[in-house]
Amino acid sequence: DAEITQSPRHKITETGRQVTLACHQTWNHNNMFWYRQDLGHGLRLIHYSYGVQDTNKGEVSDGYSVSRSNTEDLPLTLESAASSQTSVYFCASSESAGGTYEQYFGPGTRLTVT
Amino acid sequence: EDKVVQSPLSLVVHEGDTVTLNCSYEVTNFRSLLWYKQEKKAPTFLFMLTSSGIEKKSGRLSSILDKKELFSILNITATQTGDSAVYLCAVLSPGFKTIFGAGTRLFVKA
Repeated sequence: DAEITQSPRHKITETGRQVTLACHQTWNHNNMFWYRQDLGHGLRLIHYSYGVQDTNKGEVSDGYSVSRSNTEDLPLTLESAASSQTSVYFCASSESAGGTYEQYFGPGTRLTVT
Repeated sequence: EDKVVQSPLSLVVHEGDTVTLNCSYEVTNFRSLLWYKQEKKAPTFLFMLTSSGIEKKSGRLSSILDKKELFSILNITATQTGDSAVYLCAVLSPGFKTIFGAGTRLFVKA
């Protein structure tokens, strides 16, 4: 069965360190998204990609970067982790054709920056 | 600035009650509105609404969109404890960019 996975599921890191969160999907979807979820804010879009070599900034992209070298993976990098980046991070993917725009979400990564 | 506003933010009901969750939006280029259910894990898809006035239904859940007044409602009839979750409303713009509301936290008491 197709799926979307994230790793690690939990991460504790120190302020100033570089952190990379992995996202891998086997849906063969062109579109991939990274969100963060904080109490009272719902899901906020960090970065998104419509295909290989394509990346775009979302509403809360400062301090984050992504790269898309293949269809399956969209790793999210925190260049220099800050306490304000403590959050739950969700990766998602969706089709780009066929009229079905629902996003399939990964299980989430809980990141704590101390 | 595009935004999606959900109300109420939280709701406590008893089993068997009917609830209505609200979602209003101000989005420059509207494509579709989606509802998700989130329990203690990732959101799962419920409905996608694109046209006004056409009700989508799945079991005890139903939803409708009003593109003139820029809102949608999600109804849950005969609520069960398993309906306890956060319900997220999201608006899709052209290019697949999605804006989420803050969610409505529903708690159903036995």
